[in-house]
Amino acid sequence: EAGVAQSPRYKIIEKRQSVAFWCNPISGHATLYWYQQILGQGPKLLIQFQNNGVVDDSQLPKDRFSAERLKGVDSTLKIQPAKLEDSAVYLCASSLAVATDTQYFGPGTRLTVL
Amino acid sequence: DAKTTQPPSMDCAEGRAANLPCNHSTISGNEYVYWYRQIHSQGPQYIIHGLKNNETNEMASLIITEDRKSSTLILPHATLRDTAVYYCIVRVQGNTPLVFGKGTRLSVIA
Repeated sequence: EAGVAQSPRYKIIEKRQSVAFWCNPISGHATLYWYQQILGQGPKLLIQFQNNGVVDDSQLPKDRFSAERLKGVDSTLKIQPAKLEDSAVYLCASSLAVATDTQYFGPGTRLTVL
Repeated sequence: DAKTTQPPSMDCAEGRAANLPCNHSTISGNEYVYWYRQIHSQGPQYIIHGLKNNETNEMASLIITEDRKSSTLILPHATLRDTAVYYCIVRVQGNTPLVFGKGTRLSVIA
């Protein structure tokens, strides 16, 4: 079974530029999460999707971050414009929408904002 | 905020058991204890979870105290590949996000 795929693995941009990350969850997983992990800290939820609907985006900085999950499969996370403090690893995770709710994580995208 | 407290770091000799403690004194009756780990440059990986009974799988054992205010993750024979940050998370079961603390950085030493 293929795992959660993310691309790119690394991205370096200058502040005020825009960037987009892509996630392909495990086939059949209805729930998709985006987490942000700043160096030295645990991951923090940005947004949760159930199929193509948003369940929780309360911690998403909506003035600069946006995310979508068209057709309930792949998802993209965008930052526009980026700030220095957005430097982090962006992790995508997916899970089946059932009681056994193990979350499977992708390898993440490491973003550096200069 | 995370509802758990873990030591920031631990060392373990290769081949010995690694015992990672976690305090969760405010755990509610319907909350489970989950453990994930994150190896360098990888995403977190599920290890095990439990409600009140001790649990064991191919990766580890989870021992939960009777009052459920603390637990211990046991890796019975640690290898160098077990070097990682281990996160103890308390949450209700279901499609809810994981709330991570800073975890315990386990270093397995040859």
